[in-house]
Amino acid sequence: QVQLVESGGGVVQPARSLRLSCAASGFTFSNYGMHWVRQAPGKGLEWVAVISYDGSNKYYADSVKGRFTISRDNSKNTLYLQMNSLRADDTAVYYCAKDTSPITIVATADYWGQGTLVTVSS
Amino acid sequence: IQMTQSPSSLSASVGDRVTITCRASQTISTYLNWYQQKPGKAPNLLIYAASSLQSGVPSRFSGSGSGTDFTLTISSLQPDDFATYYCQQSFFTPLTFGGGTKVEIK
Repeated sequence: QVQLVESGGGVVQPARSLRLSCAASGFTFSNYGMHWVRQAPGKGLEWVAVISYDGSNKYYADSVKGRFTISRDNSKNTLYLQMNSLRADDTAVYYCAKDTSPITIVATADYWGQGTLVTVSS
Repeated sequence: IQMTQSPSSLSASVGDRVTITCRASQTISTYLNWYQQKPGKAPNLLIYAASSLQSGVPSRFSGSGSGTDFTLTISSLQPDDFATYYCQQSFFTPLTFGGGTKVEIK
């Protein structure tokens, strides 16, 4: 069965960096686009970024563009989110999610991880 | 693209028919998804492409609409359906979600 397990969250000071990981199993990871979506405490869902199956295409929310970088290592079945210049409003649970369609990004997420909490605070 | 859901919350009883609406700030054809989220859990895909039922989702859930106006309907609300529902446009990046509709027990 499909499993997505995020890790790397924690408490970090403003302006510092953090890297999240998402370990995937139960499907052919290298065939699917992958997303990061976040949710601030008590708030709604906010899409963060998507990467194509081969890493050649990446798209970001305006709120993180230039600060966050999405990447993947298909040999390790792992998705990453490098977060730099963190701000208090980046505090959220970060979910990784699998796109539904192989090869082509259709921007629909059919499997999600359990999330990892990032708290940006001094 | 801004996604506006209404209502932001509603109270309903088991067995009620529930309708949630989602409006896009520009036309998105049928590039619209619906998710259900329960407290402390990840979202779960219910409906994709406006009206297609995701595998394993009960048939009491249905979606309709195209262009800018969309609807999620629960034909007969069950105890397991009390949750928050989000629409999401998949037409254009940046992808965007609606603000959510919390369905509570009356």
